[in-house]
Amino acid sequence: AQTVTQSQPEMSVQEAETVTLSCTYDTSENNYYLFWYKQPPSRQMILVIRQEAYKQQNATENRFSVNFQKAAKSFSLKISDSQLGDTAMYFCAFGSNTGKLIFGQGTTLQVKP
Amino acid sequence: GAVVSQHPSRVICKSGTSVKIECRSLDFQATTMFWYRQFPKQSLMLMATSNEGSKATYEQGVEKDKFLINHASLTLSTLTVTSAHPEDSSFYICSAGVPVLAGGVSDTQYFGPGTRLTVL
Repeated sequence: AQTVTQSQPEMSVQEAETVTLSCTYDTSENNYYLFWYKQPPSRQMILVIRQEAYKQQNATENRFSVNFQKAAKSFSLKISDSQLGDTAMYFCAFGSNTGKLIFGQGTTLQVKP
Repeated sequence: GAVVSQHPSRVICKSGTSVKIECRSLDFQATTMFWYRQFPKQSLMLMATSNEGSKATYEQGVEKDKFLINHASLTLSTLTVTSAHPEDSSFYICSAGVPVLAGGVSDTQYFGPGTRLTVL
């Protein structure tokens, strides 16, 4: 069975600084997707970034980028130039060919002015 | 695109009553939708996979007679919490996947805004 682990329950960063959120996973599959979702206080889940496991190139979306290390089963999220609106709970998720998503425990990120 | 709605956003009911939550994909057809439950400051727990035109698949430990799921069309899935009790109070979230053209690998899921259920 797949598992997803986020070892940082809470993190904080100063506005305009850079922060990295960690995520590791375990799977025996070769074909899968990895996601980072953001859940602000409104509790609406918002897709931040996705990565196909067969792609070696790390995904980027504006200020958000990932460091995908397939052999190490690591998938960290880097947020550059942090903004107050980035304050939220961030979930790492594993998506297999069953269509299901398995979520990590979440990391609460506080961006301080 | 890829908008998912949920209704109602909040519901308060008395113990012993049943509550229905609707999940709609507004601008795409979803053969599969998913239902999650989330407690405060915790992660999302998958309850069941809703398949259009067939029975839902429930995760281990989830009572299928308690949480009835109906996926009657390609844009609508409903979750009915039957004979609700205070311990059923939670935040319920649905999601739907944008269909993948290539076979066998999951694609992105888009989430509804959630429904806060309070059972008195």
